[in-house]
Amino acid sequence: NAGVTQTPKFQVLKTGQSMTLQCAQDMNHNSMYWYRQDPGMGLRLIYYSASEGTTDKGEVPNGYNVSRLNKREFSLRLESAAPSQTSVYFCASSENRDYEQYFGPGTRLTVT
Amino acid sequence: RKEVEQDPGPFNVPEGATVAFNCTYSNSASQSFFWYRQDCRKEPKLLMSVYSSGNEDGRFTAQLNRASQYISLLIRDSKLSDSATYLCVVNANTGNQFYFGTGTSLTVIP
Repeated sequence: NAGVTQTPKFQVLKTGQSMTLQCAQDMNHNSMYWYRQDPGMGLRLIYYSASEGTTDKGEVPNGYNVSRLNKREFSLRLESAAPSQTSVYFCASSENRDYEQYFGPGTRLTVT
Repeated sequence: RKEVEQDPGPFNVPEGATVAFNCTYSNSASQSFFWYRQDCRKEPKLLMSVYSSGNEDGRFTAQLNRASQYISLLIRDSKLSDSATYLCVVNANTGNQFYFGTGTSLTVIP
């Protein structure tokens, strides 16, 4: 039982490049989330998916897109990376809204 | 005003000490409250949920004060392994928005 997995662990991009961060959970959770964590800012919600087939914007969605591929997988895409998107990205899942969330190990992204 | 506010610390305490953290939240309709622990460069991990009646898990006690809109975490008999950042998390009860505090840094000193 791996919990929440994320790939890649580290990534360096040049401004304007695109990439997709992958996330998968094996806990049969309905809800999945993408956060970014920056120094002094705490975790901020980018997008979430309350259930398979639905996605909604969070606090900081600009510059990102998501896909809930199936119940297990939720990906985050940066279409044209900017230095402001340098951050640590965490994926999380929960059984349903209002329940505790479980986090993946994170992706450390640097955009130069 | 931020949805969730925490004193960033740092709190430096000797082993065996008791330490308490508070966290205030702005939305009086919030229904779910949690404390997470985050070690350096790692993912947040659930420490405990916070219930209206308060709850205890070993050396850790969490309390909720709805009237004053704050939650607290008490750690008794601090261990070196308790050194971490403690995150307060509040669900706004609208949509799936979880709001995280910026964290309180704790270092337990031998």
